[in-house]
This record gives sequence, C-alpha cells and structure tokens, in this order.
Amino acid sequence: EDQVTQSPEALRLQEGESSSLNCSYTVSGLRGLFWYRQDPGKGPEFLFTLYSAGEEKEKERLKATLTKKESFLHITAPKPEDSATYLCAVPFYGNNRLAFGKGNQVVVIP
Amino acid sequence: GAVVSQHPSRVICKSGTSVKIECRSLDFQATTMFWYRQFPKQSLMLMATSNEGSKATYEQGVEKDKFLINHASLTLSTLTVTSAHPEDSSFYICSASRFGDALAKNIQYFGAGTRLSVL
Repeated sequence: EDQVTQSPEALRLQEGESSSLNCSYTVSGLRGLFWYRQDPGKGPEFLFTLYSAGEEKEKERLKATLTKKESFLHITAPKPEDSATYLCAVPFYGNNRLAFGKGNQVVVIP
Repeated sequence: GAVVSQHPSRVICKSGTSVKIECRSLDFQATTMFWYRQFPKQSLMLMATSNEGSKATYEQGVEKDKFLINHASLTLSTLTVTSAHPEDSSFYICSASRFGDALAKNIQYFGAGTRLSVL
C-alpha cells in the first residue's frame, strides 16, 4: 500500500494562474513531511519540512500547509521558472528513511 | 547551506565493467547517507541506507553484491555498481542527513545525480 500519494500527477498552468498540489499520507506517528523540487536530470532540492498539523511554511511563491492526513503546496501566481516536479516525502515510522510520492509535474506556460 | 556533491554526473560503460559513484557532504558531517535509483517519470526508490563505519542496510530486492556501498567517513559514501549490465542503466542519486542537527532531523540533502548508461 502506498504511503504517500500525490495528485494531480501533471499540471499545466498559465503564468499567473495559482493552483495547489496535494500530498496525502497514510503513515502513523508522522515525524515530518517534506517537500522537494526536482528539475529534469537533477537531484531533488529541499523546499520545506512540516512537523505538525496546522503548520505552514512559505518560500517566494510557494506555501506548504499540513493537516493530519495531507499536505498542500500552493503555488501563487506561478512563473515559468516554477516548472518542475514537486516531490512529497514522509519518514518511515521508526527510522529516518524517506518514502516518496510519485511527484506532481508542473509546467507553467508563459 | 547543506551541499552534497555527487560525481560523476554521467558515465557510460561497457557491460561487465564496474562503476564507482562518489557522494560527498561538502559543508557538514553526515550521520547517514542514502542511495536512490530513479527511472524515467518515476519517483525515487531507496536502495540502501549507509551509516559511517558500519555496513549498509539494503532495501528488499536490492542485491548487496551488485551494489557495493562504502561509507568510510562522515563526509564520503561510495556506490559501486559491479559487473554492470544494460538493465542497471538508470539515474542514481545520493543524499545525506546532517549529524547532530536536532532542528533539521530527517531532512535529506541530495546530490545532483549520476546518469549511468551501460552499453
């Protein structure tokens, strides 16, 4: 059973068109939820970590929120340079390994 | 920042040869390093977890003798793909967690990845 599910798989946005990406998780005893950005042919770049329900983090046009069952990554007024795959991950219970979702591939059209 | 350097970025080799990939944490000491494999349009699949000075822990289905991991210091881990075959062609990525950073617990910082092509 998947521990992390991301939706939508792919998203095309017009520049300036705000949207949200969803990450739902099934692990118990959540010890953090992580968002990464990955560009084609590159390793993931750390964006945010959220540890408790209600927590929010912001970075430029990105804002991550967390509930007890899911996290959202809101992209406000995106620009073409926000085009990337956004990965969500949670630690396996009891150790520090990360389980990744399949990612949200975002394309922002000028 | 937390910079992880991975080398080489790309390698092409003949079938049957061995390839070594290095992963270094440049500005911090890494408690643990991880090795992932990623297929096109797929997410990261954890291959093994490496702790300095001890044997690596491999995920189910990953061949220990095929993918040799050495973690000789708190800043360096290596992955050697032994007797590589075309099916080993993939994108390999390493990551590292900071040592002793309670505020950043579990955060993994990734290298840029290595594209392996086995002919």
